[in-house]
Amino acid sequence: TQLLEQSPQFLSIQEGENLTVYCNSSSVFSSLQWYRQEPGEGPVLLVTVVTGGEVKKLKRLTFQFGDARKDSSLHITAAQPGDTGLYLCAGPNQAGTALIFGKGTTLSVSS
Amino acid sequence: NAGVTQTPKFQVLKTGQSMTLQCAQDMNHEYMSWYRQDPGMGLRLIHYSVGAGITDQGEVPNGYNVSRSTTEDFPLRLLSAAPSQTSVYFCASTRGQGALTGELFFGEGSRLTVL
Repeated sequence: TQLLEQSPQFLSIQEGENLTVYCNSSSVFSSLQWYRQEPGEGPVLLVTVVTGGEVKKLKRLTFQFGDARKDSSLHITAAQPGDTGLYLCAGPNQAGTALIFGKGTTLSVSS
Repeated sequence: NAGVTQTPKFQVLKTGQSMTLQCAQDMNHEYMSWYRQDPGMGLRLIHYSVGAGITDQGEVPNGYNVSRSTTEDFPLRLLSAAPSQTSVYFCASTRGQGALTGELFFGEGSRLTVL
């Protein structure tokens, strides 16, 4: 069974701090996605990484896909209150018929 | 800019009642799916469809039925509601039928409480 484990589960920081959240698996994934979900809304895609070792930047967010394609990380530089939300990683199952989600990291950034 | 539309947004049921959660998308996506989201459990797949007339089970299908008569609509039916089905339900869609590498578009969710 393919599982995606995210850590930490909760993170509470001050505005301006840096942080990293992790998404790990014992299985190889063809690609991984990161979504952000705000209260009362559905998840929204942030990025897709498809190549082992790939690094993608989205403003203050940096996403990395592990060389072995079993893990990924999301680094936020100088966090802002607007970054508050639930961050979910997801990857396709081996049949390619469904997205498997991790349980998420809840981030709270206070000013 | 409708995207994926879910109705109702909130619903309270009594144990044993049945109901249908509606999902419609206007992006001509072939793939549609239903997830439930529970605290500490993440998003779990209930059922999915790769096109009209084709449905399949996900991780937690028991107690739910689906059908896909059109490309646009993918309703989720609760046959006999149980308190364990109290959850937030999300419908999501994406283009294509093959390996899921594209963006999954989500609705705003339907919050269901079963008493």
